[in-house]
Amino acid sequence: QKEVEQDPGPLSVPEGAIVSLNCTYSNSAFQYFMWYRQYSRKGPELLMYTYSSGNKEDGRFTAQVDKSSKYISLFIRDSQPSDSATYLCALGENSGYALNFGKGTSLLVTP
Amino acid sequence: EAGVAQSPRYKIIEKRQSVAFWCNPISGHATLYWYQQILGQGPKLLIQFQNNGVVDDSQLPKDRFSAERLKGVDSTLKIQPAKLEDSAVYLCASSPEKRAHGEQYFGPGTRLTVT
Repeated sequence: QKEVEQDPGPLSVPEGAIVSLNCTYSNSAFQYFMWYRQYSRKGPELLMYTYSSGNKEDGRFTAQVDKSSKYISLFIRDSQPSDSATYLCALGENSGYALNFGKGTSLLVTP
Repeated sequence: EAGVAQSPRYKIIEKRQSVAFWCNPISGHATLYWYQQILGQGPKLLIQFQNNGVVDDSQLPKDRFSAERLKGVDSTLKIQPAKLEDSAVYLCASSPEKRAHGEQYFGPGTRLTVT
């Protein structure tokens, strides 16, 4: 079993929809949970950063961490065509150096 | 603030040839990472430098891949000889932090095609 599992999609939604993206993981040592957005032919850029459990909101984006279920989510409200990209979850240990990335979910928001 | 710079952006080589990629991190960032991203996969860490010392190279195929970071700034990643399965995007990232929880800033990547 891979340490981080992420459904690759693709996920297609109409503009204005609420999008839910998810990752599951198996390593209980993960304490840092990040979401990166990657546009085609670009490098990933950090979107959301959460330490331990709980929710974090930034504009239209909300990140949730449920450590008891080893499940993390990213919600996008009022989705826009400009949100069309691949979304990667990335998890890190408190004492570790490397980030463990999911495969990424490809999202397409249609006008 | 200038971002992470990488060159070349694209490279096509034949198998068994050698290739080198260059990365210039964000000024002042002590930590530099090289990742390999195969199509449809998330980035996989190849090597992490702290200044000019190696922190983690456990997933670097050392029989063919090598990397160096001279003077703790720029870095080069080399593949010699290349195999078909090395076709991927090679991403460089930098961070002011050493630990995994530090925010990493990625460059645009070098897309390598091995034929």
